[in-house]
Amino acid sequence: VQLQESGPGLVRPSETLSLTCTVSGYSISSGYYWVWIRQSPGEGLQWIGNFHRSGTTNYTPSLRSRVTISVDTSQNQFSLDLRSVTAADTAVYYCARHLGRADPFQDGDWGQGTLVTVSS
Amino acid sequence: SYVLTQPPSLSVAPGKTARITCGGNNIGTNSVHWYQQRPGQAPVLVMSHDTDRPSGIPERFSGSNSGNTATLTISWVEAGDEAVYYCQVWAGNSDHVVFGGGTKLTVL
Repeated sequence: VQLQESGPGLVRPSETLSLTCTVSGYSISSGYYWVWIRQSPGEGLQWIGNFHRSGTTNYTPSLRSRVTISVDTSQNQFSLDLRSVTAADTAVYYCARHLGRADPFQDGDWGQGTLVTVSS
Repeated sequence: SYVLTQPPSLSVAPGKTARITCGGNNIGTNSVHWYQQRPGQAPVLVMSHDTDRPSGIPERFSGSNSGNTATLTISWVEAGDEAVYYCQVWAGNSDHVVFGGGTKLTVL
């Protein structure tokens, strides 16, 4: 499987950060969890949330009120919308495939990451 | 929510042993995974399910998990091991993935 993030590299404060992850080599509708993870400059990894083919989504509590993960099976893509962004949302955003809840993220299951800067 | 605690930094001389800890409430009941991240790169899995070493990871890497602490042990540390190491679990009670804050390993 290959995953590739796309979207604007610069977002204005208070606006919505929107990213898309295009998946190739595996059909999103076939299963697993589709995940967004971010890493602020010089900081650690933060799991943002996931989407499962059953239609369920889970989000980290600190972002739950501002985030939506959705899927477009016709394009084999999944997306992240993060609303009302501030400079604290500046980060490298990774999309990833997660095989199962107790499983690790395998090396081939990450996108390369895309830097999004929040600035006016 | 579930919290994983790692020491921010660890310095070890070449040839010595590095023990990177990951603390969490009853973490021994969770399956812990460890990642190595070098600057500008995506994380690389170095240990899964507490003690399983992925293909290509040297035998110098080992893991343990019991009680409230999981440990990644790197024996015979080399300069190439210098990186940030993260632990990760699935917090079943909250249905979330949780990462530790990361430990920067410096090889002296």
